[in-house]
Amino acid sequence: EPEVTQTPSHQVTQMGQEVILRCVPISNHLYFYWYRQILGQKVEFLVSFYNNEISEKSEIFDDQFSVERPDGSNFTLKIRSTKLEDSAMYFCASNPLAGVYEQYFGPGTRLTVT
Amino acid sequence: SQQGEEDPQALSIQEGENATMNCSYKTSINNLQWYRQNSGRGLVHLILIRSNEREKHSGRLRVTLDTSKKSSSLLITASRAADTASYFCAPMDSNYQLIWGAGTKLIIKP
Repeated sequence: EPEVTQTPSHQVTQMGQEVILRCVPISNHLYFYWYRQILGQKVEFLVSFYNNEISEKSEIFDDQFSVERPDGSNFTLKIRSTKLEDSAMYFCASNPLAGVYEQYFGPGTRLTVT
Repeated sequence: SQQGEEDPQALSIQEGENATMNCSYKTSINNLQWYRQNSGRGLVHLILIRSNEREKHSGRLRVTLDTSKKSSSLLITASRAADTASYFCAPMDSNYQLIWGAGTKLIIKP
């Protein structure tokens, strides 16, 4: 069964450094998402992406964040200058059609900013 | 806040018993989804109920939806130790965004 994959599973970085989190969505899916979950807290929507552009973004997704689908396969989340409060699990998700379908989540990348 | 809110926050029951988790939300929805998360792992979709449906079954799962009360419930029958996880209700709003609550942490005691 096809699944969403994410790399790395765990990333440790120093405050102020740039990180890129990578995701490979399910191949025939058209909508892609990034979420984050601070340890023990609720899942928070960051951004949705369709047709090579951002369709929705939350207040969390400020200028420090960017997304890209560089090669038709990968979907990346870049954090330009990490802060301690960026430490969280970051989940990528995809679905074939917005609105009426379940979202398929990857296993997550645990980002630790020190 | 437009987020879904699960109730209770934590639930501990004996294996074999039924587990019921409730969810309330504030916005108009397209559908409502339930997800499960094992500790430190990714989210797994369990079931989706559309706004014009009132009840849906999938295996040992039963979901109800009352749009007039803006509430939903998830029932897991004949619980197993492997059902231990956090369960999240995620209503999908008219902008097709999932709205997440803090989840219910379910512990099944053997």
